[in-house]
Amino acid sequence: GAGVSQSPSNKVTEKGKDVELRCDPISGHTALYWYRQRLGQGLEFLIYFQGNSAPDKSGLPSDRFSAERTGESVSTLTIQRTQQEDSAVYLCASSLGLLPNEQFFGPGTRLTVL
Amino acid sequence: AQSVTQPDIHITVSEGASLELRCNYSYGATPYLFWYVQSPGQGLQLLLKYFSGDTLVQGIKGFEAEFKRSQSSFNLRKPSVHWSDAAEYFCAVLRGASKLTFGTGTRLQVTL
Repeated sequence: GAGVSQSPSNKVTEKGKDVELRCDPISGHTALYWYRQRLGQGLEFLIYFQGNSAPDKSGLPSDRFSAERTGESVSTLTIQRTQQEDSAVYLCASSLGLLPNEQFFGPGTRLTVL
Repeated sequence: AQSVTQPDIHITVSEGASLELRCNYSYGATPYLFWYVQSPGQGLQLLLKYFSGDTLVQGIKGFEAEFKRSQSSFNLRKPSVHWSDAAEYFCAVLRGASKLTFGTGTRLQVTL
């Protein structure tokens, strides 16, 4: 079946603008994750959704970052008033939500803030 | 704090040579461990995982990894590297219900 998809694949924006990144998880996966990958670094956990439970937002770096998920489907990561340090690849993953779980990753959105 | 260390930032091997990528973790409980590969412009692909049982796990593309609790290590190995294995490799440990903590990655270059 289809994997995790993300859009756009690339986004260039000006400092101070808001951006929205979209993630479509694998159908049937109840858990959805967002990670950030800065150049030359590993992935940093941002936020986790599991079913209808309150999301785990402990990885969000500032209040400029927020994410929503509609039921067990699409998620949107929003970055307000973007800064140059927000430039990174944003990766979305989904899983069945069972412990222990294997997370399936999308191709990512490369965000460049000028 | 839980962490994952990949001490080698960059490794170069000749095609056909053996490969070992190192990973050490710091985690209080029984770890769930993963190796992912990321090719240029691609998302992460799971190579293999360790949850419990046999400490030598087999993965895709001819990779294997051995969990050594006494050394807090989960090193990735391949007996004979192919040029297509050139990529970045990430070790990760699952923390709690959801959070994968990743190492900083090892970039593998394969010379012909």
